[in-house]
Amino acid sequence: AQSVTQLGSHVSVSEGALVLLRCNYSSSVPPYLFWYVQYPNQGLQLLLKYTTGATLVKGINGFEAEFKKSETSFHLTKPSAHMSDAAEYFCAVSDRGSTLGRLYFGRGTQLTVWP
Amino acid sequence: AAGVIQSPRHLIKEKRETATLKCYPIPRHDTVYWYQQGPGQDPQFLISFYEKMQSDKGSIPDRFSAQQFSDYHSELNMSSLELGDSALYFCASSSAGHLTQYFGPGTRLTVT
Repeated sequence: AQSVTQLGSHVSVSEGALVLLRCNYSSSVPPYLFWYVQYPNQGLQLLLKYTTGATLVKGINGFEAEFKKSETSFHLTKPSAHMSDAAEYFCAVSDRGSTLGRLYFGRGTQLTVWP
Repeated sequence: AAGVIQSPRHLIKEKRETATLKCYPIPRHDTVYWYQQGPGQDPQFLISFYEKMQSDKGSIPDRFSAQQFSDYHSELNMSSLELGDSALYFCASSSAGHLTQYFGPGTRLTVT
């Protein structure tokens, strides 16, 4: 089974500061990689995904993530945080080569943005 | 654009009761996934269906069952409810050959 590690269950930044949320996966074969955001009392919204091709992926709301195979990482960044970015962020993976598609999630990172 | 619909949004049950959660996928999506998110936990995969057949099974208790109907909606049936079943239950849908799963708003089940 896949394993996803998100370093830091809570991250706090000031408005306008860089956001960096870390995600590492465990499999030897790079999986498909996803970042989801969850606002309070809402469902999961896809921010971005990496399947193949360019390793720097741009998503919605100014977020981007870079797949680094050598580091088995898929960290999420945003150059300038906004108050509206405060939410919980989940990194998720699914098995490459499998048609089943189940997602394995990390424990999540709660992002707080200070004014 | 149409999204995944889940009903009910909130459900309160007592121990040993039964509950039925419903999921209506995005139109033309043929695959449905169910996930359980306990308090402060990450979502855990329960079960999935493709074209009305079970396609994958995760850590779903034997007390739970699910199916996908001819109109592609899915129902998760939960019996002999336990306090530990209190969680947010998400349904997600996708179309065959596409990796992205679109999540519904979830059903919050509270077992007292």
